[in-house]
Order: sequence, then C-alpha cells, then structure tokens
Amino acid sequence: QVQLQESGPGLVKPSQTLSLTCSVSGGSISDDDCYWSWIRQSPDKGLEWIGYIFSSGSAYYNPALKSRALISVDTSKNQFSLTLTSVTAADTAVYYCATSETPGDLFDPWGQGILVTVSS
Amino acid sequence: SYELTQPPSVSVSPGQTASIICSGEKLANIYTYWYQQKPGQSPVLVIFRSATRPSGIPERFSGSVSGNTATLTISGTQAMDEADYYCQSWDSGTAVFGGGTKLTVL
Repeated sequence: QVQLQESGPGLVKPSQTLSLTCSVSGGSISDDDCYWSWIRQSPDKGLEWIGYIFSSGSAYYNPALKSRALISVDTSKNQFSLTLTSVTAADTAVYYCATSETPGDLFDPWGQGILVTVSS
Repeated sequence: SYELTQPPSVSVSPGQTASIICSGEKLANIYTYWYQQKPGQSPVLVIFRSATRPSGIPERFSGSVSGNTATLTISGTQAMDEADYYCQSWDSGTAVFGGGTKLTVL
C-alpha cells in the first residue's frame, strides 16, 4: 500500500511563496497507473482540490488556483511538490497529498496533512 | 462553478440507520465519492463510483444515487462512525467537494 508524507514550512509570510513536498513510499511515483494530487482544507473553504500531476510531468489545476499553483515531480527522489505563489491569509489550510490510479476518479490514500499558516 | 450541497449535521442513535445526502445538478450522470474524516485525521475513502465499497470498509457503509442526489447510508451505525463525511465529484476536469456533514451518534 502506497504511503504519502507531506513536508515543508508551517509558516509563510503574506505575499511569499508556499512550497511543500510529498514523499511517496511503498510504490513508485513513476508508475504509469498513478497520478498525484494536492488538496487543501480550511474552515472557510472546506476541502479544495488544487491539482494533480502524472509521472510524465503533465499537470492539471483547479481553475481557481491555476495562476498561482505549480505542481512538479522528482522521480529520482520519489517525490512531488506544490508551489503556491503570492499567498495571503486565505491560503492558510491543512495541505494534503493524495493519489489515485485514474484521472477523474477517487483519492486514496491521503497523506496525514500539514498545517500551513500564512502570517507575518 | 459546480457545487455539491450537504446538510451540516445529521444525528443518529446507535444501531439505527444514518443517511447523508449530497445534492448536485449533475450527479445523475457522474460518479460520487464519499470520504470519512475523524478529528485530527486525514480523509478516508468509504465509497467510490457512487456505490462501490473499498476493501477494508465495513459492509454497513453503502452508497446510492437517485436523480441528482447521492446518499451515503450507514446501517447499524456504531459510535466509531461519528465523523465528518464529505461527498466529491468531478466537473469539467476539476474535483469538487461538498461542504461536509457532521454525523453525531447519540
């Protein structure tokens, strides 16, 4: 069973860039049958899908965040990453990585999540 | 943008049947997914493609769709089922989540 673990800074200043990494264990991120997602959860917005990436590097984003989000993959480290630019307090959330075998399908499993607070 | 609507809360007595609904204008034609989230934990998939239960999920969890409403049913609800439940679907390549329903077992 694949396991996912998020890592990164828990505090980011407004207007700066949020960077998170998801480490994959128990499976290969290069597996053609998988795609890799970022999802966040805040009290105000609930669960919000940010986007996903294939091992080939092709990525798809939520239109609401597309202008600020970038998802990348590092197959040598079996990791994928999220970069979110120009953050504001509204980006304060628990960020989860998750995986699936088919685009447009379920999310399973999820990582444990990491709380990121945007504050000066 | 596409929206999925859930009631904020549902209460059920132990051993009874809990029904959590999710409304969305396209649910008659697209799959619904259900996730359980307990405090301090990440969401766990309990139903996928509207009515299929993943391995390891108890048989008391089931899913159905009627018209534009998807329903998560928990038969013989147990205290351990107390949690937040979220429905999810896809619209034009974007994943959309419902606002969540807090299930209280009392």
